Amino acid sequence: DIQMTQSPSFLSASVGDRVAITCRASQGISNYLAWYQQKPGKVPKLLIYGASTLQSGVPSRFSGSGSGTDFTLTISSLQPEDVATYYCQKYDSAPPTFGPGTKVDF
Amino acid sequence: EVQLLQSGGGLVQPGGSLRLSCVASGFTFSNYAMSWVRQAPGKGLEWVSTISGPGSSTHYADSLKGRFTISRDASRNTLYLQMNSLRVEDTAVYFCAKEGSLIIGVDYLDYWGQGTLVAVSS
Repeated sequence: DIQMTQSPSFLSASVGDRVAITCRASQGISNYLAWYQQKPGKVPKLLIYGASTLQSGVPSRFSGSGSGTDFTLTISSLQPEDVATYYCQKYDSAPPTFGPGTKVDF
Repeated sequence: EVQLLQSGGGLVQPGGSLRLSCVASGFTFSNYAMSWVRQAPGKGLEWVSTISGPGSSTHYADSLKGRFTISRDASRNTLYLQMNSLRVEDTAVYFCAKEGSLIIGVDYLDYWGQGTLVAVSS
């Protein structure tokens, strides 16, 4: 099975910072990559699918890039409400494995 | 508005069984594959199982080793997860989720249920 890794596992930043989270697949998955945001005690929320397509209603400060094995989630200007854990997920084929998560805090 | 309303969690002893339900509304249920994802306390997200829109195809995480069964009832717009031979390590919040497109196979998850806690303990 394809393994997913994320870096860093924890990220401390300030309001207004540009933040980047990396997700890497152990084999190529084309652009079958999604990003989710999970705030403490809340349900995961889809942010991006197809590696770079923004889900409806998601603020434009979120963006995704990459293809093959290396992907990036970027928050252009970090806001207080962005404190959360971010997960990538590959969905090219079963199993649709999640990455271990990146916790973003101030 | 898409809604996924979960029920059926609770406390169960090791070796016991439990069935989770997820009632869907706001979309054509039989058109979309559905999944279960779990999250152990303080841990990350773990995919559990996916069932196709018609219910004819299923996928499971290898770690479940045949103990869990996913199913769906189109007449009730309801997704199920039957969990047997439960272990302490199955303790988690279980989420149902709708797949995002009409493709065959696994997909991204665009709507999630509220989650239900399954606690396995003696």
